[in-house]
Amino acid sequence: AQKVTQAQTEISVVEKEDVTLDCVYETRDTTYYLFWYKQPPSGELVFLIRRNSFDEQNEISGRYSWNFQKSTSSFNFTITASQVVDSAVYFCALSLRDTGNQFYFGTGTSLTVIP
Amino acid sequence: KAGVTQTPRYLIKTRGQQVTLSCSPISGHRSVSWYQQTPGQGLQFLFEYFSETQRNKGNFPGRFSGRQFSNSRSEMNVSTLELGDSALYLCASSLASASYNEQFFGPGTRLTVL
Repeated sequence: AQKVTQAQTEISVVEKEDVTLDCVYETRDTTYYLFWYKQPPSGELVFLIRRNSFDEQNEISGRYSWNFQKSTSSFNFTITASQVVDSAVYFCALSLRDTGNQFYFGTGTSLTVIP
Repeated sequence: KAGVTQTPRYLIKTRGQQVTLSCSPISGHRSVSWYQQTPGQGLQFLFEYFSETQRNKGNFPGRFSGRQFSNSRSEMNVSTLELGDSALYLCASSLASASYNEQFFGPGTRLTVL
């Protein structure tokens, strides 16, 4: 069975602090894809990043960075120098090679950045 | 390029009624997926349609159904509504039915069942 766990339900940080959102996944498939989405108060999920199971390179995009470690089945997301606009719910998701666009989502982490 | 649109945005129904929600994908996208989001269960996959065919189905009762038209627009229907069906229903579109595809989500339809 597939499962994505985001153990942090809510996080609050003060503006300019760094914050890491954890994501742990479970699957027996060897080919899979991991995603991060942001859901602001408006409700629409916004795509942040995709990573396939064969690419463990970390990625940095501006203030955002992602650390993918197959050895620990984790795909963590770090925001550097957080800003108030980063306040949102962040979801980690897993898809498998043979199940099309079916995403298995984690329960989300609600991030509040305090000015 | 216009994004994914969902109508209506808000809906209030009573138990036992049925409801139809609509989703228009991004132009050129042929895959449409539906998700239910509730505070208790989070985001759960309902089904995916590709080229008018249901490709995948999540673990929901038969009261939940969907279809896709030749222009890729999709509708989902919930019959005999229950209180527990109150949720945000999100539609996502993608170029094709492939697990590596980025999915683009619409703003959702918030359904309240009284």
